[in-house]
Amino acid sequence: AQSVTQLGSHVSVSEGALVLLRCNYSSSVPPYLFWYVQYPNQGLQLLLKYTSAATLVKGINGFEAEFKKSETSFHLTKPSAHMSDAAEYFCAVTSYTGRRALTFGSGTRLQVQP
Amino acid sequence: GAGVSQTPSNKVTEKGKYVELRCDPISGHTALYWYRQSLGQGPEFLIYFQGTGAADDSGLPNDRFFAVRPEGSVSTLKIQRTERGDSAVYLCASSSVGTATDTQYFGPGTRLTVL
Repeated sequence: AQSVTQLGSHVSVSEGALVLLRCNYSSSVPPYLFWYVQYPNQGLQLLLKYTSAATLVKGINGFEAEFKKSETSFHLTKPSAHMSDAAEYFCAVTSYTGRRALTFGSGTRLQVQP
Repeated sequence: GAGVSQTPSNKVTEKGKYVELRCDPISGHTALYWYRQSLGQGPEFLIYFQGTGAADDSGLPNDRFFAVRPEGSVSTLKIQRTERGDSAVYLCASSSVGTATDTQYFGPGTRLTVL
């Protein structure tokens, strides 16, 4: 079985500050990990994914995430927040031998204060 | 090109009624997924199609839920005898070949409200 836990249902940062959204996974087999973003009234959009190549993954809009097997983590970061980053962010997991569909965390809502 | 589309965008029905939700995947994508997202939660898997066949339907909550993809393109999610607890946003996604590393592209969802 696979699962992800996102610590912090709401995160608030100031514009220009570091964004850190936490994701920890549980998987009995090597995982593949994804971050999706959901803007208000829009569909889920892929930010980045880890597929067992480089452990530091760069995505769209300046986001990146690092796969740390020892910590079972895949935290999402961005050096400087923009107002347009305000959205809900979801971490998700699949695996080669497990379910093809995504198993999502409960999400983290990011607020960016001016 | 066109993304994943879902119709209707909103559906309001009464308890006990039958509803159908439609998904048009990206052209050429062989894999299609249905998820359900309740308020304040992440999407939960319902069913996965590879071509015309349901490769994994382990997420369907009970036998009131059924989905088809007869020609390997458009899919319909069918819910019989709707209950208030079925109220949620139903999301459809498609991917190119359906491997675990494939990017899934999501539609905007259908918001189902059962009164």
